[in-house]
Formats: sequence, C-alpha cells, structure tokens
Amino acid sequence: AQSVTQPDIHITVSEGASLELRCNYSYGATPYLFWYVQSPGQGLQLLLKYFSGDTLVQGIKGFEAEFKRSQSSFNLRKPSVHWSDAAEYFCAVGAPQGTYKYIFGTGTRLKVLA
Amino acid sequence: NAGVTQTPKFQVLKTGQSMTLQCAQDMNHEYMSWYRQDPGMGLRLIHYSVGAGITDQGEVPNGYNVSRSTTEDFPLRLLSAAPSQTSVYFCASSSTIDSIRDQPQHFGDGTRLSIL
Repeated sequence: AQSVTQPDIHITVSEGASLELRCNYSYGATPYLFWYVQSPGQGLQLLLKYFSGDTLVQGIKGFEAEFKRSQSSFNLRKPSVHWSDAAEYFCAVGAPQGTYKYIFGTGTRLKVLA
Repeated sequence: NAGVTQTPKFQVLKTGQSMTLQCAQDMNHEYMSWYRQDPGMGLRLIHYSVGAGITDQGEVPNGYNVSRSTTEDFPLRLLSAAPSQTSVYFCASSSTIDSIRDQPQHFGDGTRLSIL
C-alpha cells in the first residue's frame, strides 16, 4: 500500500541555521510529490511539487526539495531558516493511479529559536 | 478570487446535535474533499467528490454525510455529533479529475469543532 512517512514529529533549529525535513514514500510507480506548510490557525499552502525531470525543485519562501528515487525520499531543505518559518510541514503523494485519494504524512512541526 | 471558503471558523456543539460545515470554491474545480486533522495523525480523508452528483468515502467516513449538488459547494454534515468528532476540519479542492495526480490541493482555513 502507498504511504508517506515523516520520521520527525518535532524539529527545533536556531534562526539562520539550515533545515532539512525528511519525507519517505512507498509507491509503486513514479510518484507525484508535494510539500505543504501550515501556519498556526491556517490551512495548508503548497510550497513545491515534483512530477518529473530535474530532481531538485525550487519552491516558494526559499525552500527546495530533492527527489531521490533510490532512497524513496523527498526531503525539504532551506539554507537559512527565518523565525517566520515556524509552522507544520506536510509531505504528500498525489492520488495514486486509479484512486482519487491523496496521501499525506503525519507532519513535522518546526520550532525556530531566536 | 476567494479560493476555498469554509464556514463557520469555530463551532461548539453538544453531543447528539447535528450541523453542517460549509465549503465553497470559486475556481471551478471538479475535485473537492474533506479532511479532519488531529494531533499526531496528520490529515485523514473523510469524503471526496469528483464532480457534481458524485461523492465517495475516504478513510474515516463514519458519522459524516456529504452531497455535491453544484460544482462550487461541498457541505459536510455531522448527523449526531460525538466527542470523538472534535477536530479541525479542512476542505480542499483541485482541478480536473483527469490529472488529479499532479494537481496540488487548495485548502480552506479550517473549521475548529468542539463536541461537548
């Protein structure tokens, strides 16, 4: 069965430090991968997406993610974190062929220290 | 362009009461869905729709009903509220069902529901 795993429930980084949030997926075919961010009290906002081609994709707010097929991973990165990046981050796989159900990870909550 | 609009933003109910959470989108999206978000469990799909008149169950449909009479609206009904339904509910939409795999979802701001 398809699944998405975000192994880190909470991550704390200092402002200005680099960030990497992990995402692993289990999927039989070429996955369609997304990262979303949820600020407190808000809905989810799309950060970036990967469908094919260049395995390093750029998103909004200075985020990027790298697709590694051999590791079944799609990790999110940012070189220098800002206090406003404190939020919850969700990795997702687009609805598998033949279904209409997106699969979300359980999320990683990011705390940024001043 | 309002995107996805959910009402109300907050609601408190007593056990056994019924209510409808409203969701409307103005992007002419075919696909609409309802999720509930609980701590440590991420987003769980309740029901979804691939067009007017077509709905189907997600992974946690019990206790909820949906209908899709128009492309724009996708209300979620709680038939007899239970404390286990205390949660944050999100409505989302995305464009054509022919390419749903590669389409991101657009989310509303959520409805925070407490059942006493």
